[in-house]
Amino acid sequence: EAQVTQNPRYLITVTGKKLTVTCSQNMNHEYMSWYRQDPGLGLRQIYYSMNVEVTDKGDVPEGYKVSRKEKRNFPLILESPSPNQTSLYFCASSVTSGGTGELFFGEGSRLTVL
Amino acid sequence: GDSVTQMEGPVTLSEEAFLTINCTYTATGYPSLFWYVQYPGEGLQLLLKATKADDKGSNKGFEATYRKETTSFHLEKGSVQVSDSAVYFCALTFTGRRALTFGSGTRLQVQP
Repeated sequence: EAQVTQNPRYLITVTGKKLTVTCSQNMNHEYMSWYRQDPGLGLRQIYYSMNVEVTDKGDVPEGYKVSRKEKRNFPLILESPSPNQTSLYFCASSVTSGGTGELFFGEGSRLTVL
Repeated sequence: GDSVTQMEGPVTLSEEAFLTINCTYTATGYPSLFWYVQYPGEGLQLLLKATKADDKGSNKGFEATYRKETTSFHLEKGSVQVSDSAVYFCALTFTGRRALTFGSGTRLQVQP
């Protein structure tokens, strides 16, 4: 089954404790991206990757890191989480980013930073 | 910059009622337009899209027409079901752009 898998689905942590949210896709997609969803703001892009070893900032990259060492995996790293990073996070992938907009989303990871 | 504006929710309807969720956009040029749906506890799924003016996207009984004159892409369905209860997101992008621009989402609640 074609899917994007995120882990963990739910996480409560404390300020400053490093964490990683993993994302894996089995569709051989070139493009992967992370979004955060906040009430009243819709989804905003954090980082994206066009291919292995190619990553770039989205609209709200501050406080986040990513890596793309393999095509299927695109982890999101919070080196020192803060309460304003409490949010619902989605990983997404696509064959290309070329304006088709047909993104495949994971089920989301709800993060709470105390 | 580009933006997408959706009507405030929640929208509460009875089963078999007619649905309209308004979406307007601000952008330079002619973007591709999308509706995504998010069912409870799930990620977003593409519902329909339109890539040029006057195109009509349709899927699962939902329709939306790309109106460049009014910069709108309103979502409609003739008869909603309880299973349509979800959050609906309007979005846009341009060829070569690396991200979608999403609206804030509209929650639809359908009562039996």
